[in-house]
Amino acid sequence: KAGVTQTPRYLIKTRGQQVTLSCSPISGHRSVSWYQQTPGQGLQFLFEYFSETQRNKGNFPGRFSGRQFSNSRSEMNVSTLELGDSALYLCASSTQPGPTSYEQYFGPGTRLTVT
Amino acid sequence: QQQVKQSPQSLIVQKGGISIINCAYENTAFDYFPWYQQFPGKGPALLIAIRPDVSEKKEGRFTISFNKSAKQFSLHIMDSQPGDSATYFCAASWAGTALIFGKGTTLSVSS
Repeated sequence: KAGVTQTPRYLIKTRGQQVTLSCSPISGHRSVSWYQQTPGQGLQFLFEYFSETQRNKGNFPGRFSGRQFSNSRSEMNVSTLELGDSALYLCASSTQPGPTSYEQYFGPGTRLTVT
Repeated sequence: QQQVKQSPQSLIVQKGGISIINCAYENTAFDYFPWYQQFPGKGPALLIAIRPDVSEKKEGRFTISFNKSAKQFSLHIMDSQPGDSATYFCAASWAGTALIFGKGTTLSVSS
């Protein structure tokens, strides 16, 4: 079974631009979560989607947004990029949210560099 | 209260030795405690996980020890190998919500 895929793998953007990252979950997984990984802050939760609905949101500004499509694929968007947005953005999928299935499987991430 | 504190930040172990990484949490509502392994350029990979109703879980050379009263859990890697050299993250979550990660431990196993 194929793992979580993320595109693109690497991205360089300029301050003020916006960016869209894509994530395809493991087949059969319907829940997708996004995390930001930086050397200083570590891994931080951005948001979680299930059945095209945002189920949970981390403590990030409104410039960070996401959505999920009916095929469970997800995208996240960052508008008005700042230098501090440079990070590895990770997507994780699980079968469904809630106490019956906790295991989250991560993709390889998208390395975003803002100059 | 949402933090997970991980130590040590880095660890050097001889090949064949035991690697021990510790984590502590405050939120007693956490009910799922996974460990992830991450190699450079890769996403975190789920290694092993435990629920608070179990004090220990072993999978191959990897063991989680869980102390509910102390609100601590640890990862033990027995017979550590150079291929185990990676960054290890503990995490916690409640009712299948967002994972709260520790800051990570960089493990180097010397041959």
